[in-house]
Amino acid sequence: DAKTTQPTSMDCAEGRAANLPCNHSTISGNEYVYWYRQIHSQGPQYIIHGLKNNETNEMASLIITEDRKSSTLILPHATLRDTAVYYCIVRVEGAGNNRKLIWGLGTSLAVNP
Amino acid sequence: DTEVTQTPKHLVMGMTNKKSLKCEQHMGHRAMYWYKQKAKKPPELMFVYSYEKLSINESVPSRFSPECPNSSLLNLHLHALQPEDSALYLCASSQDRGFVREQYFGPGTRLTVT
Repeated sequence: DAKTTQPTSMDCAEGRAANLPCNHSTISGNEYVYWYRQIHSQGPQYIIHGLKNNETNEMASLIITEDRKSSTLILPHATLRDTAVYYCIVRVEGAGNNRKLIWGLGTSLAVNP
Repeated sequence: DTEVTQTPKHLVMGMTNKKSLKCEQHMGHRAMYWYKQKAKKPPELMFVYSYEKLSINESVPSRFSPECPNSSLLNLHLHALQPEDSALYLCASSQDRGFVREQYFGPGTRLTVT
């Protein structure tokens, strides 16, 4: 069952910040939020993950609301190479202590010149 | 080297054929994964290997048979596939099997079953 909802598509101007939202209203207290992206004809690429605090790395920032029901991935200065499908994912605790990633349907981000 | 390689890039096979997909990583990762991805859908987990032992099988039909000959290699043996099995097959690896650390994905094998 889907744990996340994302807009199907978004546009962003090159050089501007891209803010990609994700809703995960049924997330449990120990479930992490992950973001991956998939550029056309490539495998998915890890971007960032977090539990409750905001996170930042060299690729992006992840802002998680205090109630943890939603989050936003921020690409601070989008380039044409950031055009991709961005997946918001929740890591859940499965049966037998097996963790699993529940992938969202993804947001197709188009960065325009 | 943070690369996961997959061969072949493209594969066309008939429903009576037997073929294999191959995946290799040299990052010292002890967890390796097979995913299936249909067009405009997210990847779906098929199998997880941890320390060369199968730890997760997501109820995948037996016509897909995984094998992990050593810590760097992962194979997916295909037999008697159906046209609906046509998809992009992705291999991934990570330091652990608990989905804690990031997974590194290969570019995938585009499989067409005729």
